[in-house]
Amino acid sequence: NAGVTQTPKFQVLKTGQSMTLQCAQDMNHNSMYWYRQDPGMGLRLIYYSASEGTTDKGEVPNGYNVSRLNKREFSLRLESAAPSQTSVYFCATLRSATSASFDEQYFGPGTRLTVT
Amino acid sequence: KNEVEQSPQNLTAQEGEFITINCSYSVGISALHWLQQHPGGGIVSLFMLSSGKKKHGRLIATINIQEKHSSLHITASHPRDSAVYICAVSFINTDKLIFGTGTRLQVFP
Repeated sequence: NAGVTQTPKFQVLKTGQSMTLQCAQDMNHNSMYWYRQDPGMGLRLIYYSASEGTTDKGEVPNGYNVSRLNKREFSLRLESAAPSQTSVYFCATLRSATSASFDEQYFGPGTRLTVT
Repeated sequence: KNEVEQSPQNLTAQEGEFITINCSYSVGISALHWLQQHPGGGIVSLFMLSSGKKKHGRLIATINIQEKHSSLHITASHPRDSAVYICAVSFINTDKLIFGTGTRLQVFP
């Protein structure tokens, strides 16, 4: 039981390059989230998916796209990377969006992305 | 203004000391979460509570809904407790969490 996995763990991109961050979970949870974490700031929600086939914008969606491929996988794509997207990215899951108030989030190990 | 405020931002302690980390929020919530982020970066959930108090080992979390305030206590602190402790809240009828900026705790032997 791996929980929440993310790939890659580290990535360096040049400005303008694209890449996809992968997230997978084996807990059969409905909801999945992408956050970014920057120094001095709390985790900020980029996009989330309450169930397979649905996605919604979070607090900081600009410059990102997501895809909920199936119940297990939720990917985050940077189409044209910018230095402002240098950050640590976390994927998280929750059993059900409707029970978000009464459940715990499970986090992946994070992806450290640097854009030069 | 952040809807979730934590204090202190940084905290150092000697092994064995009693630790308190505070979290205040600005509007009504349905639940409050305490998370721990290890120096390596991994984040784990410690507690989720909507009222009263919860205890797990040396960790105790309390919440006062009327005062919109929660505390995380660590008894008999140990160097392995060194981490960033993050408070987050979920609001009624939403499936999203709002996070505080975290409290960095260092416990020295």
